Amino acid sequence: DGGITQSPKYLFRKEGQNVTLSCEQNLNHDAMYWYRQDPGQGLRLIYYSQIVNDFQKGDIAEGYSVSREKKESFPLTVTSAQKNPTAFYLCASRLTHLNTEAFFGQGTRLTVV
Amino acid sequence: GEDVEQSLFLSVREGDSSVINCTYTDSSSTYLYWYKQEPGAGLQLLTYIFSNMDMKQDQRLTVLLNKKDKHLSLRIADTQTGDSAIYFCAESIGDNAGNMLTFGGGTRLMVKP
Repeated sequence: DGGITQSPKYLFRKEGQNVTLSCEQNLNHDAMYWYRQDPGQGLRLIYYSQIVNDFQKGDIAEGYSVSREKKESFPLTVTSAQKNPTAFYLCASRLTHLNTEAFFGQGTRLTVV
Repeated sequence: GEDVEQSLFLSVREGDSSVINCTYTDSSSTYLYWYKQEPGAGLQLLTYIFSNMDMKQDQRLTVLLNKKDKHLSLRIADTQTGDSAIYFCAESIGDNAGNMLTFGGGTRLMVKP
């Protein structure tokens, strides 16, 4: 079945470590997005990519990095520079950046221990 | 501050109608969306409305848009316990920023049997 898959579902990180969250889609979508969700708040855009080998910063990109070497994959690295990384991270994709519907993965909950 | 605002919580009895409200600030919004999020999961698109429409109905869901007041609502008829979730309103602005989605903080709907 076509879809968008995030892994792992739960991730624990020690302070000072970098961690990478995986997002893979087999929908042949050009555009992919990373959002961060904190309790009682909406989704805030971290990074987005309109097409392979290209990506742009969102509203809260500091402390994060991404790559888009393949159309299917848009991994997010949470670096040690991100001071408050504990959150729920959601990946989404759209057929194109101008398309109406965004499809979301099931999310990764990152906790700093 | 947030561009899209929602009340935090709504409680209804099973069988009643639920009305979830949202206000947005950007008059250049092109599409307005309602997403549903169940616990620990990603977001599922419920419905969307184009900004030149004032109403859209889809089975139990009715979306009303008051463009003058920048007010969007989602009515769920015959609310069921399975409708308990967080509902997010989002707007998409078709400007040079490229159709980004801006989300409200979410409304938690609790349906009592």
